[in-house]
Amino acid sequence: GAVVSQHPSRVICKSGTSVKIECRSLDFQATTMFWYRQFPKQSLMLMATSNEGSKATYEQGVEKDKFLINHASLTLSTLTVTSAHPEDSSFYICSARERQLVYGYTFGSGTRLTVV
Amino acid sequence: RKEVEQDPGPFNVPEGATVAFNCTYSNSASQSFFWYRQDCRKEPKLLMSVYSSGNEDGRFTAQLNRASQYISLLIRDSKLSDSATYLCVVNRPSGGGADGLTFGKGTHLIIQP
Repeated sequence: GAVVSQHPSRVICKSGTSVKIECRSLDFQATTMFWYRQFPKQSLMLMATSNEGSKATYEQGVEKDKFLINHASLTLSTLTVTSAHPEDSSFYICSARERQLVYGYTFGSGTRLTVV
Repeated sequence: RKEVEQDPGPFNVPEGATVAFNCTYSNSASQSFFWYRQDCRKEPKLLMSVYSSGNEDGRFTAQLNRASQYISLLIRDSKLSDSATYLCVVNRPSGGGADGLTFGKGTHLIIQP
């Protein structure tokens, strides 16, 4: 089946620094990548949608200059949290789908970000 | 009304019992419906898709009522390993682009020995 590899699984960073999270589709072409975050006891909330080679579409309330998304290839998408603050501490997870939706929505294993 | 609404539970159920979860959604344009399972601090995993005619996968049965915008999941002969959070998930039509998914907050199930 389809696999999305997400790294790092856990990161602790200092306030004000930037953190990059990578998601790679290992055996299919991820034409679309969705980025979610989940705060404790909350549902996964869609942050942005990116199509390969295009600019990401951000959900209302998500700052595009703070959460930089790059989807330059069909197998790699990155989310960079710039100038991270403690309130950005959350579980970030990507979800990839290919054009034909043969594999459905494949999730990465998530990144737990803690900003101190 | 929330986009996807579920009873958060927790549901404490003895092993071997039958348990049912319900979910309502607000976007009548949604066409795809799923139940995902999420274990603590892990990514969600697809349990099953939900079809209009209802569908069954082993001990799991899903039903969809489009008129009421209501989805259900029934688990029979529950096992200890069924303890998890069950997420009701609905696609969010994007009007031409790839649809994202809208997740409910999940229903927490605890199977007790």
